[in-house]
Amino acid sequence: DVKVTQSSRYLVKRTGEKVFLECVQDMDHENMFWYRQDPGLGLRLIYFSYDVKMKEKGDIPEGYSVSREKKERFSLILESASTNQTSMYLCASSFWTRTNRVQFFGPGTRLTVL
Amino acid sequence: AQSVSQHNHHVILSEAASLELGCNYSYGGTVNLFWYVQYPGQHLQLLLKYFSGDPLVKGIKGFEAEFIKSKFSFNLRKPSVQWSDTAEYFCAVNGGNNRKLIWGLGTSLAVNP
Repeated sequence: DVKVTQSSRYLVKRTGEKVFLECVQDMDHENMFWYRQDPGLGLRLIYFSYDVKMKEKGDIPEGYSVSREKKERFSLILESASTNQTSMYLCASSFWTRTNRVQFFGPGTRLTVL
Repeated sequence: AQSVSQHNHHVILSEAASLELGCNYSYGGTVNLFWYVQYPGQHLQLLLKYFSGDPLVKGIKGFEAEFIKSKFSFNLRKPSVQWSDTAEYFCAVNGGNNRKLIWGLGTSLAVNP
């Protein structure tokens, strides 16, 4: 079974703090993704990576950065946390083949910024 | 640009009722189509997918979906829902060489016992 793990299930931070969210997958997937999930807004892509050290902006990259130094690990960084970044953050990973593009998700990190 | 529209935001059903959740997408080329489900307190998981072949695909827990290319639709169905089907359901599309999935906003389903 594919396993995607995220470093924390719940996190509480203060405005202005630098926040690191970690994601690890064990299936040698090329692609990794960071989303945020908010009620009524569905899943919005923040950043994704298709290879080590490679990244592309998603739909809402402002205020975030990412790092992928190893294939299995993809980190999301909130440079200076703000209250409007309070959300559920989901990490996902996938292969990149014509018939297999299923994304597998981690359990999510619920971040509260005070 | 690719987009996905889910017609119903909130659906309330009684147990044993039939379910159909609408999903339409906009993309002119070859598509991969997905339905994901998120049960309360659990992570998103794949319900079913379509890549090619038989347009009627079957997934877990008795769900099925039909790809109708002419209507750009991929509706999810279940003939008889159970209380345990209470969850949020997301439709997603991937087209061409795009590595991203394009997501619908989700449909919240509540099944009353």
